[in-house]
Formats: sequence, C-alpha cells, structure tokens
Amino acid sequence: NAGVMQNPRHLVRRRGQEARLRCSPMKGHSHVYWYRQLPEEGLKFMVYLQKENIIDESGMPKERFSAEFPKEGPSILRIQQVVRGDSAAYFCASSLGIQRTGELFFGEGSRLTVL
Amino acid sequence: TQLLEQSPQFLSIQEGENLTVYCNSSSVFSSLQWYRQEPGEGPVLLVTVVTGGEVKKLKRLTFQFGDARKDSSLHITAAQTGDTGLYLCAGEDTNDYKLSFGAGTTVTVRA
Repeated sequence: NAGVMQNPRHLVRRRGQEARLRCSPMKGHSHVYWYRQLPEEGLKFMVYLQKENIIDESGMPKERFSAEFPKEGPSILRIQQVVRGDSAAYFCASSLGIQRTGELFFGEGSRLTVL
Repeated sequence: TQLLEQSPQFLSIQEGENLTVYCNSSSVFSSLQWYRQEPGEGPVLLVTVVTGGEVKKLKRLTFQFGDARKDSSLHITAAQTGDTGLYLCAGEDTNDYKLSFGAGTTVTVRA
C-alpha cells in the first residue's frame, strides 16, 4: 500500500506531556499538509511543508506546536505540553505538487487523547 | 479562511430513498471537492468540480457546482447502507493551496 501512512493511529497523553505524530507521504510526493479535526467540525488547516521547508504555518498555534519535514524520513507534527483542548484527530495529506483540483491524498489520521 | 456551510448537519434515511446535501459559501472557489469519511478513517476524495454549472455523475452520486462557483450539492439516488458516512465539501481558492472544509453532513442509511 503506497498510501499516506500515519502513526500512531491512537495516542494517549497526560497534560503536560509531548505528542509526536508522524506522516509518511505517498511515494513520490514532496508536499505535506497537516489538518486537525474536532468532533462535528470540518478539517482545519494547520501547516503546509515541503522537504526541509515550512511553506505556510498560518493555521498552527504559535506556541507548543511545531512541524518538520526533513530531507529523509517522515513529516512530524510535535505538540509540547499538551492540554485537553489538543485532543483531536490529526490528519496528514500529501500531494505531488502544490495541491490543485483533487490531488490531495489523506492518511487515516492520528487520534490524540489528552487526559 | 473562506467559510463553507453544509446542510443538513445530520441526515437519516431508509435504504432506497434519495438524499441531497448542500454546501454553500459567500466566497467564490476555483474548484470544490467532495469527500466521504468513515469513522476512524481519513477523508477519501469523491469528486472535484471546477466549472460553474458543472454536473458530474459517479454511479448513484450526482455532484453539481453552482453557476457562480459559490455552492455545490451532492445528490444520492437509491441510497444504500454503504453510503453511510460523513460527507465533507472543501473549496479551493485560486491563489491559495489550502482547502477550506465545511463541517460535514453525517449521513446514515438504515437497512
């Protein structure tokens, strides 16, 4: 399966701990997007990355959240000192180029629960 | 971020019935996409509509993009239990690469 792979699928953290979510894009895709989904809400854009570059992080909280997409390895979304409000499903999507007209492929998501 | 409103929020119908879900915005989009998301899974793209007034058919699903490219509808004919899921619309701006998602319509098709 050459789809977008996310892990872990489920993650439980206590308040104050760190959460790391990983995303391996589809083979050949160099553009990665992270979205957050809260219950009964649509997906909210967080950050757009290309290899070794953050292109747009306008949807990501300024504090505690960071993202990277290194030259080698998966993209990582890192949440430091998690709070209960961080509990959500985090989806990664990838595209071959800048996302246009249906070229975006989503992973199955990582569900973070903060106790 | 451009706001997309979906209606209804929830829809429950009997197998064999028809249904329509709507996606509306005050903004113009260069394209609009429909996704279906099942519990515990990621969204899966169903269709992309690009041209105002465009109608696309995918088996029992009919997608329409408004003439002004501000709204769209999804019509399912003779719904089946396998159509159950969360239907999300997402609009793309010409000058942007971020999709703006609606909150979704949860469709339940009862056997």
